[in-house]
Amino acid sequence: DTGVSQNPRHKITKRGQNVTFRCDPISEHNRLYWYRQTLGQGPEFLTYFQNEAQLEKSRLLSDRFSAERPKGSFSTLEIQRTEQGDSAMYLCASGNYEQYFGPGTRLTVT
Amino acid sequence: TQLLEQSPQFLSIQEGENLTVYCNSSSVFSSLQWYRQEPGEGPVLLVTVVTGGEVKKLKRLTFQFGDARKDSSLHITAAQPGDTGLYLCAGDTQGGSEKLVFGKGMKLTVNP
Repeated sequence: DTGVSQNPRHKITKRGQNVTFRCDPISEHNRLYWYRQTLGQGPEFLTYFQNEAQLEKSRLLSDRFSAERPKGSFSTLEIQRTEQGDSAMYLCASGNYEQYFGPGTRLTVT
Repeated sequence: TQLLEQSPQFLSIQEGENLTVYCNSSSVFSSLQWYRQEPGEGPVLLVTVVTGGEVKKLKRLTFQFGDARKDSSLHITAAQPGDTGLYLCAGDTQGGSEKLVFGKGMKLTVNP
């Protein structure tokens, strides 16, 4: 098992552009989570999926954010019309009980 | 609202010293996890504690869950430079591995 993978690892974009991140979970895990981490803070929950169903969304997830997990395997997180405040590390985790994190995608909005 | 308070937030010690980091809350958790994170990487799970009063050991690391399941501590014996990193505690308030609530972390530097 290669663990949770995320792509890209780094993304620099200009304000107003759309970005999409991908997460490939550990294959036998039913649950997939997205978190956001800013400098000096712990990760903050954004949303999670049980198989393909999105079961909870944080109030942090504005309508510019959308997440999908179309076949209950990989997931994508899209941010539309990026703002400088979106700059953060976006972390994906998977698990059936405990949560195992990927390496994250570092987003910088200029 | 920060549900989990970690202390200290920063610690710089010499190799061989012992240390304890605390994770406190007014909320009850069904389980609590400790993670270690290095710069530019995702958190790596160290341990999960579930039962009040539970003590788990991982080599030189000792984790304890409070009797009331509101707090936890991590004790490192004879710290080594390889222990350097950000130590995060995270609690599951709802049970069943739903969203985790994280503390801000304790940044540890172990100097050789």
